[in-house]
Amino acid sequence: SQKIEQNSEALNIQEGKTATLTCNYTNYSPAYLQWYRQDPGRGPVFLLLIRENEKEKRKERLKVTFDTTLKQSLFHITASQPADSATYLCALGNYGGSQGNLIFGKGTKLSVKP
Amino acid sequence: GAGVSQSPSNKVTEKGKDVELRCDPISGHTALYWYRQSLGQGLEFLIYFQGNSAPDKSGLPSDRFSAERTGGSVSTLTIQRTQQEDSAVYLCASSWGLDPDTQYFGPGTRLTVL
Repeated sequence: SQKIEQNSEALNIQEGKTATLTCNYTNYSPAYLQWYRQDPGRGPVFLLLIRENEKEKRKERLKVTFDTTLKQSLFHITASQPADSATYLCALGNYGGSQGNLIFGKGTKLSVKP
Repeated sequence: GAGVSQSPSNKVTEKGKDVELRCDPISGHTALYWYRQSLGQGLEFLIYFQGNSAPDKSGLPSDRFSAERTGGSVSTLTIQRTQQEDSAVYLCASSWGLDPDTQYFGPGTRLTVL
């Protein structure tokens, strides 16, 4: 069955450092991958989308890579700030798929300490 | 503009009672999704509505769960004869129905079954 793993349940880093979150998947060949941010008591918020033919996407301090050979996506936050503390979810999708096209991972809770 | 809204924000019920959860999607969005998020777990897909097509109900965990979407807009998720294991946050999301798509989530309804 399809499986998505996000590297750890929690990641603690110091302010100013680069946070790197990992999303691995098996038994699936997604056409695209998305990253969402979820704050406590709120629904997830879309951050970035990367397609299978794209190696890297950037948005301000965020960078996402997508390696279809390794079946892995890396999500980087550079110059991290305490305000970046949240749970980050990866989601895989395929064109024309069912189930709303997205399968979500369990998320990684990032804590950035001042 | 207004985002996805859900009501109630919190619901406490007794085991065996029926509950109805409401979702108001973003105006114009053709797709609507229901997910369940239990503590420490990822988003569990429940049901997906797209336009006038038959809904994808493949994620509903039992026949106690049902959902409808009236007039292609507001949706109601109904849980009959609630059980303690139904306790979770129920999230609704809507989208334009594009491919790939970005889902816009509501704040969720926290359901507690005593």
